[in-house]
Amino acid sequence: SQQGEEDPQALSIQEGENATMNCSYKTSINNLQWYRQNSGRGLVHLILIRSNEREKHSGRLRVTLDTSKKSSSLLITASRAADTASYFCATVGGYSTLTFGKGTMLLVSP
Amino acid sequence: NAGVTQTPKFQVLKTGQSMTLQCAQDMNHEYMSWYRQDPGMGLRLIHYSVGAGITDQGEVPNGYNVSRSTTEDFPLRLLSAAPSQTSVYFCASSATFSGRFSYEQYFGPGTRLTVT
Repeated sequence: SQQGEEDPQALSIQEGENATMNCSYKTSINNLQWYRQNSGRGLVHLILIRSNEREKHSGRLRVTLDTSKKSSSLLITASRAADTASYFCATVGGYSTLTFGKGTMLLVSP
Repeated sequence: NAGVTQTPKFQVLKTGQSMTLQCAQDMNHEYMSWYRQDPGMGLRLIHYSVGAGITDQGEVPNGYNVSRSTTEDFPLRLLSAAPSQTSVYFCASSATFSGRFSYEQYFGPGTRLTVT
């Protein structure tokens, strides 16, 4: 069963705007990861945040993690048309399995 | 490095046929896994392996077999294809650290399988 659930399911914004996606999960985690998938392609890792971290940055990406609320958010600042993709959160709980959510489809219009 | 490669890219099978989806990685990763992606369902784990000779079941293993005879290769076998196995299949690999999986996964480009 899905561990992470992304919200919203779809998001449409203009270039230059910020995009925020949220992820909620159910059980305790070791770390949480965000991935991007362009249409028809494999997933690409964006950022990993460990359970003892609260915030992490990578370029235009900012990820927060609130383990008390079992939630994470991904912020993409100054969005570009090339950011159009599906974004997935994935949690790592036990020894070696990664559980994905259903994803948020982001459309960035020029 | 080629990263994670998958063959074939597309495949059409008839119900009851069997086939093997190939996956290889050249990064010397210990951990490899197979996922299927269906519309609106995200990715679901089929089988995974933490090293040569070691495999385990994921969330949706029924109808699939795997083996891991080398570090590089992790083939997925469909024993008797069914229309419910129509999906996009992704292979992924990752390094492990001190026996605990905590690193990013590298994904292959996927195999689009249709079972009629």
